[in-house]
Amino acid sequence: AQSVAQPEDQVNVAEGNPLTVKCTYSVSGNPYLFWYVQYPNRGLQFLLKYITGDNLVKGSYGFEAEFNKSQTSFHLKKPSALVSDSALYFCAVRVPNQTGANNLFFGTGTRLTVIP
Amino acid sequence: DTGVSQNPRHKITKRGQNVTFRCDPISEHNRLYWYRQTLGQGPEFLTYFQNEAQLEKSRLLSDRFSAERPKGSFSTLEIQRTEQGDSAMYLCASWMSAQTNYGYTFGSGTRLTVV
Repeated sequence: AQSVAQPEDQVNVAEGNPLTVKCTYSVSGNPYLFWYVQYPNRGLQFLLKYITGDNLVKGSYGFEAEFNKSQTSFHLKKPSALVSDSALYFCAVRVPNQTGANNLFFGTGTRLTVIP
Repeated sequence: DTGVSQNPRHKITKRGQNVTFRCDPISEHNRLYWYRQTLGQGPEFLTYFQNEAQLEKSRLLSDRFSAERPKGSFSTLEIQRTEQGDSAMYLCASWMSAQTNYGYTFGSGTRLTVV
């Protein structure tokens, strides 16, 4: 069965500093990995994905993530945090050709607070 | 078309009542998903449609829940005999299966409170 872990409920970072939001996964096949962001009272917005190819993927708003197969991780990063990045971030996984292949399985979320 | 639209945004209902939510996906998207999100949790898959066919249902979708997408466009999610445990945000997402970015587009959700 697929599962996604976001080990930190809360991440605080000073504006201008680099940020990392961690995600690890457990799947029995080759995963497709995603990051979404959720602002208060809003739906989830797609940030970036890893399907195949280059392990470093770049997404919206200056975010990037690195797929590490040996560590089964897909951490979200940004070189310089903005106050407007403060939001709830979700990592998600999909495993094609398996039961539930058409669905995204989400982690529990990490609340990022960027301190001015 | 500005995205996925969900109505109502908020719904407060008494336990035991029936409620229905509506989702209007992006018009060219053939896939439509329903998720439930409770406080402190990530979204949990409920069901999805390809066009008008309901192709998969989660075990979370008890027999009190039913979803339809009669013409392959909008979808409704009905909960009968609501319970306090049904209180959650119900999210709808749509996707064109031929897209290469594999990113769903989510609506803003319907927040249900059962009192």
